Amino acid sequence: KQEVTQIPAALSVPEGENLVLNCSFTDSAIYNLQWFRQDPGKGLTSLLLIQSSQREQTSGRLNASLDKSSGRSTLYIAASQPGDSATYLCAVNDLKFYFGSGTKLNVKP
Amino acid sequence: EPEVTQTPSHQVTQMGQEVILRCVPISNHLYFYWYRQILGQKVEFLVSFYNNEISEKSEIFDDQFSVERPDGSNFTLKIRSTKLEDSAMYFCASSEARLAGTYEQFFGPGTRLTVL
Repeated sequence: KQEVTQIPAALSVPEGENLVLNCSFTDSAIYNLQWFRQDPGKGLTSLLLIQSSQREQTSGRLNASLDKSSGRSTLYIAASQPGDSATYLCAVNDLKFYFGSGTKLNVKP
Repeated sequence: EPEVTQTPSHQVTQMGQEVILRCVPISNHLYFYWYRQILGQKVEFLVSFYNNEISEKSEIFDDQFSVERPDGSNFTLKIRSTKLEDSAMYFCASSEARLAGTYEQFFGPGTRLTVL
């Protein structure tokens, strides 16, 4: 069974810092990997989707990479802002969908 | 911008009662999903649905659960006889296509189910 792990579990940074969130998965036979943002008590907002054949996707200040063979993905957030404070989740798709526990990010003004 | 909607936002029920959670996926989407998130735990996949039948389901999705697309817009999750451990946030999601491999899922805001 696929296991998805995210580290760190929590991260607190001052505004303006660049940061990296990590996601690892145990079975590399995936179709794609998706990064989400979850605000407290809210639903999930899709940030980036990387297909298994892709290495990288970018959207604004966000950049996600995928190394399928090693079972790893990173989400890079440039010039962090207080509004980026949320929990970031990664999910892998091998026809069933497996989520990590998330990284809770706090960006201090 | 199109979005997935869910009703109700909060449902309180007594143990043993049946509940139906409702979702309206994005209109041109073909794949529909249900997930749950028990407080403080991971989001867990329950079921995916395509072409009026279940495509994949997890071990959690046992006989007490069922899904249905009763009309052209709604997608429902029924829990036949609720248990205390069914208390969770239930999320509906939809995606545009499968064969194209896009699979990007868009989530609704969730229904918080509380079983007393």
